[in-house]
Amino acid sequence: DQQVKQNSPSLSVQEGRISILNCDYTNSMFDYFLWYKKYPAEGPTFLISISSIKDKNEDGRFTVFLNKSAKHLSLHIVPSQPGDSAVYFCAASANDYKLSFGAGTTVTVRA
Amino acid sequence: DARVTQTPRHKVTEMGQEVTMRCQPILGHNTVFWYRQTMMQGLELLAYFRNRAPLDDSGMPKDRFSAEMPDATLATLKIQPSEPRDSAVYFCASGTGTGRDNEQFFGPGTRLTVL
Repeated sequence: DQQVKQNSPSLSVQEGRISILNCDYTNSMFDYFLWYKKYPAEGPTFLISISSIKDKNEDGRFTVFLNKSAKHLSLHIVPSQPGDSAVYFCAASANDYKLSFGAGTTVTVRA
Repeated sequence: DARVTQTPRHKVTEMGQEVTMRCQPILGHNTVFWYRQTMMQGLELLAYFRNRAPLDDSGMPKDRFSAEMPDATLATLKIQPSEPRDSAVYFCASGTGTGRDNEQFFGPGTRLTVL
């Protein structure tokens, strides 16, 4: 049973514009959320995280928003750059070491 | 430059053969995870260890998969016998497992193809 869902398998955006990636979860025990980025032939790398006590966390061009009541989080990339073309995974944990991942969203940034 | 290493990077085998994948976690990390990436499920957790002890392997098909940590520098994932449906990319990740820092550092993966 997929507890973390990324319903958009792909996203295409023009360079310089905003990329918005969405993620929904079903487990109300999740209290920590992460985004990972993956290039082809490489393992995922950590991008940004947010605790459930916050509703926003910003790191440079990347901002994650958390809406606990809707069990929804999103990742905003502004402005999008060609190097941002990758697969983005949403992940969540419930106060332990296990991470539940979504299926990923492939972002393509067009020049 | 500390990295998680995995061998082999690619493996092609025939159905019924044994497959062993190896992982060297980052020195000093005490949690190790095995994931499988498929198109439909994304990253599925197969097993994880803390201080070399298996904590959860509920994601693994028990009849054919086994995971071990013979020592702190080596984790193995074995499939015996392998089946075509096992074809996927298998990732190992390690972490410090302290506090709420759940960042996991992933290796480059082993791409397994079972014919």
